[in-house]
Amino acid sequence: GAVVSQHPSRVICKSGTSVKIECRSLDFQATTMFWYRQFPKQSLMLMATSNEGSKATYEQGVEKDKFLINHASLTLSTLTVTSAHPEDSSFYICSASDGPLAQHFGDGTRLSIL
Amino acid sequence: KNQVEQSPQSLIILEGKNCTLQCNYTVSPFSNLRWYKQDTGRGPVSLTIMTFSENTKSNGRYTATLDADTKQSSLHITASQLSDSASYICVVSARGGTALIFGKGTTLSVSS
Repeated sequence: GAVVSQHPSRVICKSGTSVKIECRSLDFQATTMFWYRQFPKQSLMLMATSNEGSKATYEQGVEKDKFLINHASLTLSTLTVTSAHPEDSSFYICSASDGPLAQHFGDGTRLSIL
Repeated sequence: KNQVEQSPQSLIILEGKNCTLQCNYTVSPFSNLRWYKQDTGRGPVSLTIMTFSENTKSNGRYTATLDADTKQSSLHITASQLSDSASYICVVSARGGTALIFGKGTTLSVSS
């Protein structure tokens, strides 16, 4: 149980394009979803927290207009990296929570901007 | 400042040997501590979750301990296998918050 699916697993695109990453909770309803970014050999850094039907809460230093988050249902959240540039290349991971102790992670999306 | 420090940064052991990974934290007020295993290019997978009142928890060959007084935790891996090669991340949650504070992880390499 508690499976989180993240899609795509890998994306390579040109600088200036926008990229959408989906995060789905397959067998539970996620009241809260989280988006993280991880650079090589670094820990996960929380970017934003989203609750279904409301605006996401962004961490300090994360541009909300750059990283658009939509949490339209209890099983789906999307992260759109707008006008992506090479410095946005990273490993993006989502997690979904159905309770205070529960946070289930997706398998991540490797984003490479050329 | 809430921080989680892990040691060692990396570790190489022979298959079949045991090892212990360390985690120190300064998160307050403390809610719970988790250990995750992250394979290369994958998302973290939960191994154990311990709250303030728990001082040990096992999951197969993984045993985590927690000393809330000294704010230290350890993860002991018994009879290591090649598939144990991964990054092990200590994560602490503060009471009243949903945010997780991540350590940088210990990279474990198990060789035959």
